[in-house]
Amino acid sequence: KQEVTQIPAALSVPEGENLVLNCSFTDSAIYNLQWFRQDPGKGLTSLLLIQSSQREQTSGRLNASLDKSSGRSTLYIAASQPGDSATYLCAVRPGAGSYQLTFGKGTKLSVIP
Amino acid sequence: NAGVTQTPKFQVLKTGQSMTLQCAQDMNHNSMYWYRQDPGMGLRLIYYSASEGTTDKGEVPNGYNVSRLNKREFSLRLESAAPSQTSVYFCASSVTQRYTEAFFGQGTRLTVV
Repeated sequence: KQEVTQIPAALSVPEGENLVLNCSFTDSAIYNLQWFRQDPGKGLTSLLLIQSSQREQTSGRLNASLDKSSGRSTLYIAASQPGDSATYLCAVRPGAGSYQLTFGKGTKLSVIP
Repeated sequence: NAGVTQTPKFQVLKTGQSMTLQCAQDMNHNSMYWYRQDPGMGLRLIYYSASEGTTDKGEVPNGYNVSRLNKREFSLRLESAAPSQTSVYFCASSVTQRYTEAFFGQGTRLTVV
């Protein structure tokens, strides 16, 4: 069974710092990996989708990388801002079976002004 | 740009009552999903519909039923609510169930007393 782990569970950084969020998964047979942002009491907002054949995706200050063979993905946030404070979730879509997303429990990011 | 719309946003039920959570998407997506999110447990799949006319169980289907009413709408029914079903429920959709990005609604916060 696919398991997705996000470490650390919480992270606090000063404004302006570059940071990396980590996601690891146990089964490398995946179709893709998706990063989401969740604000308190809100739904999930899709940030980036990386297909299994890709190494990275970029959107603005966000860059996500994927190393499928080692079962790891990172989300890099450049020049962090207080508005980046949220919980960040990664989810993998397995390459067989029901193809349904398996989520990590998230990293809660606080960016301190 | 409504995306995925869920109703209601909040609901309080008494044990044993029934209710239906509604979900509609306007993105012409084929696949739709219902998740629940609980503290410490992350997001878990309840049911999904890969395409109109099909539904399948996810990780935690017990106590729930679903209906894919048409391509746009996917409802989740609790026949006899239990306190263990207190949770935040999210509906999501994607073009297909394998390769494409998933989009989430804003959630329904359900409390069963």
